[in-house]
Amino acid sequence: ETGVTQTPRHLVMGMTNKKSLKCEQHLGHNAMYWYKQSAKKPLELMFVYNFKEQTENNSVPSRFSPECPNSSHLFLHLHTLQPEDSALYLCVSSQEVSGGPDTQYFGPGTRLTVL
Amino acid sequence: GQNIDQPTEMTATEGAIVQINCTYQTSGFNGLFWYQQHAGEAPTFLSYNVLDGLEEKGRFSSFLSRSKGYSYLLLKELQMKDSASYLCAVRDGDYKLSFGAGTTVTVRA
Repeated sequence: ETGVTQTPRHLVMGMTNKKSLKCEQHLGHNAMYWYKQSAKKPLELMFVYNFKEQTENNSVPSRFSPECPNSSHLFLHLHTLQPEDSALYLCVSSQEVSGGPDTQYFGPGTRLTVL
Repeated sequence: GQNIDQPTEMTATEGAIVQINCTYQTSGFNGLFWYQQHAGEAPTFLSYNVLDGLEEKGRFSSFLSRSKGYSYLLLKELQMKDSASYLCAVRDGDYKLSFGAGTTVTVRA
């Protein structure tokens, strides 16, 4: 049973729609991430939030907009997406420890299809 | 980004042993992870290596050689449920985690 939940699990949207992905972690972690997983490609880190502050934005197009209202919740707001944005979007949480391993706990993902 | 290479696919027979290799080139090194991902599911943590040598966890073992930029995941006594994708991930000197594309292992009866 994962301590990271994501909704919705599946989403189909048109290019003109606006939708949001939601992630919630119940592990007391201080860092949350959005990853994109496309077929046959490595996981791509999109955004990192550490103690609710965005610490990383890996050149993600502005049609993806993250929001982290508190350390337990993370959103990814989507608007005017392209068909190539269709992928599995994974939310991850971890407990950042200086100099130590912080195992990443994955949510089940949202399978997004853009028509 | 970092360069992480692992084979795309491997096939083995139930009860056999399979070794999945991972080579990496990073600026600094702060640990290597292996994850298992079944089709349609999220990755789950398998192992972590930060020092050279072998870490054993039941049927799964992971090895690391930092000087060679090399790791392998060894799966013993393969079972059908081990059919999955196995992801190698490396944390660099800035503690950024990068993933390989994954190795799909198919276990045949």
